[in-house]
Amino acid sequence: GAVVSQHPSWVICKSGTSVKIECRSLDFQATTMFWYRQFPKQSLMLMATSNEGSKATYEQGVEKDKFLINHASLTLSTLTVTSAHPEDSSFYICSASALGWGDSQPQHFGDGTRLSIL
Amino acid sequence: GENVEQHPSTLSVQEGDSAVIKCTYSDSASNYFPWYKQELGKRPQLIIDIRSNVGEKKDQRIAVTLNKTAKHFSLHITETQPEDSAVYFCAPNNAGNMLTFGGGTRLMVKP
Repeated sequence: GAVVSQHPSWVICKSGTSVKIECRSLDFQATTMFWYRQFPKQSLMLMATSNEGSKATYEQGVEKDKFLINHASLTLSTLTVTSAHPEDSSFYICSASALGWGDSQPQHFGDGTRLSIL
Repeated sequence: GENVEQHPSTLSVQEGDSAVIKCTYSDSASNYFPWYKQELGKRPQLIIDIRSNVGEKKDQRIAVTLNKTAKHFSLHITETQPEDSAVYFCAPNNAGNMLTFGGGTRLMVKP
């Protein structure tokens, strides 16, 4: 149980392109989803937290107009990297938690999306 | 915010030996302490977790110990195998179930 699906797994595109990444919880309702970015040989850095039906909360230093997050249903969250540039190239990973704020429950991770901007 | 440190950053052991990774954190309100294993290019996988009302938890060759007073918890792997080679992250929570990941420990198990 607790499967999280993330698509696409790999994206290569030109600078200036917008890229959408989907994160789905397949067998549970995810009231909270998290988006992380991981650069090579580094740790996971939380970008934003989203609850179904409300605006995402972004971490300090993450541009909300550049990284658009939508959490329209209990099983789907999307991250759109708008007008991507080479410095946005990274490994983006989502995770989902079955319970909402204030509950310490495991986060289940998607397979990640490797984004390469040329 | 939470300050999380992991030690060592790299660890090399012989197959069959034990490995211990320590994680220190700063937020005294943290009450959930997971360990994740990440193989190259793959997702982090939860391997064991512990809550603040328990001092130790074991699952076969893997164990986690927690010292809330000193604000640290450790991952113990016994009888290591080559397939244990990966990067391990501790990720204590803070308010709102947000995890703060440590810097990671690269474990290499030599056959």
